[in-house]
Amino acid sequence: DTGVSQDPRHKITKRGQNVTFRCDPISEHNRLYWYRQTLGQGPEFLTYFQNEAQLEKSRLLSDRFSAERPKGSFSTLEIQRTEQGDSAMYLCASSFLGPNTEAFFGQGTRLTVV
Amino acid sequence: DQQVKQNSPSLSVQEGRISILNCDYTNSMFDYFLWYKKYPAEGPTFLISISSIKDKNEDGRFTVFLNKSAKHLSLHIVPSQPGDSAVYFCAAKAGTALIFGKGTTLSVSS
Repeated sequence: DTGVSQDPRHKITKRGQNVTFRCDPISEHNRLYWYRQTLGQGPEFLTYFQNEAQLEKSRLLSDRFSAERPKGSFSTLEIQRTEQGDSAMYLCASSFLGPNTEAFFGQGTRLTVV
Repeated sequence: DQQVKQNSPSLSVQEGRISILNCDYTNSMFDYFLWYKKYPAEGPTFLISISSIKDKNEDGRFTVFLNKSAKHLSLHIVPSQPGDSAVYFCAAKAGTALIFGKGTTLSVSS
């Protein structure tokens, strides 16, 4: 399977705990994106990497969120001190460089904060 | 303020008929538009895209039309099949990030 892979698929955590999600992009893709989707909404952009450099962050990405992409391969998204409002589907996507390129999404990590 | 709007939350169509999903946008800087399909508990799957220099792009049963003056695009699926039942998201790009609409749930009955 050469698609975008995310782990875990589901995570239930207690409020105040830290969680970390992993994304393995399509290996040839330079760009990696994180999105968040809540019920009834479309995916909302959080941040993206070009190779190992984090080039853009949304204002949705509060100080409790941090993302890394060491060596330009897989990426991790950490949420510290989780809140109930963080409950959402976290989606990772990857794409080639270039202006008109489609992003391919993983299956997402469903986070539930109780 | 929503830059990409899908004003119809749902659409029901009979198998074999045409499905038309609509999308409006407000940002004239958008230069690339995409449609994604999403099944429950899965990530969005890319369907078809169109650059702002074109007004139509076709791929099998799927055709996307772009009307730049009206800031409107539409996805036509013909003939519709029960397996097309899913949520369809319109997305637009002005830089690197995709801006998504809220989606339209398509139900195709046999």
